[in-house]
Amino acid sequence: EVQLLESGGGLLQPGGSLRLSCTASGYTFTTYAMSWVRQAPGKGLECVSSISGNSASVTYADSVKGRFTVSRDSSKNTLYLQMNSLRAEDTAVYYCARRSGTYGGDFDYWGQGTLVTVSS
Amino acid sequence: EVVMTQSPTTLSVSPGERATLSCRASQSVTNNLAWYQQKPGQAPRLLIYGASNRATGIPARFSGSASGTEFTLTISSLQSEDFAVFYCQQYNNWPLTFGGGTRVEVK
Repeated sequence: EVQLLESGGGLLQPGGSLRLSCTASGYTFTTYAMSWVRQAPGKGLECVSSISGNSASVTYADSVKGRFTVSRDSSKNTLYLQMNSLRAEDTAVYYCARRSGTYGGDFDYWGQGTLVTVSS
Repeated sequence: EVVMTQSPTTLSVSPGERATLSCRASQSVTNNLAWYQQKPGQAPRLLIYGASNRATGIPARFSGSASGTEFTLTISSLQSEDFAVFYCQQYNNWPLTFGGGTRVEVK
C-alpha cells in the first residue's frame, strides 16, 4: 500500500525558515516523480514544486522560486521542501503528492498534509 | 501559464441525480487532464486521469470526457459520499495548474 507521511509544519514568523519532510512507503521511491502542493485556508490548490524520480529535473512555481528548494533522499525514501524567507502568503496546508510517472503525470497518491502558518 | 476555469462554482444536486462539471483550459493540454475530489479536512483524491480514465478503485458512476480544451466530469447518480469539492488539473505544461474548484452540494 502506497503511503506518504508529511511532517515538519508549524507556526513561525515572517522571514523564517522551515523544512518539510515526506516519507514514502509501499513502492519503489526512485521510480516516481514527486511534488509539493499547497492549499491556503479556504482556497484552491497550487503546485509549488516538482522533482523527477532521479532528481535530474526540478521545477518551481514563480511564487516560491529562489526561496524554496525541493530535494529527495532515495536512501531514506524521503522528499524534502526547504522553505526560506517565509511570507504570510505561504500559510497553507502542504501536501506531498506522488506523480504517476518518473518525470511527470498526474498526482495519484497524496499525503495527509502538514500545516505551515506564517504570522507575527 | 495554462489557466484552468471550472464551472459552475457551486452545483446543487439531489442524491441519485446526475452531476455535470466543466473545466476549460486556456490552451491545449492534449489529454493531460486529471480530476480530483476533496472532502473537508482531507487530501484530494485522484478520480480521473488522461481526461477519461478512472483511477484505481473509482466507481463507474464517475466518468470523464474531452473535446479540445473543454473537459467534463460526470457523476451519473450522486451518492451521499460524493458531495465534495472537485478540481481539474492540467499536467501538460509547467507550472501545473488547477481549476478553482466546483463544490457539489446537496439540493
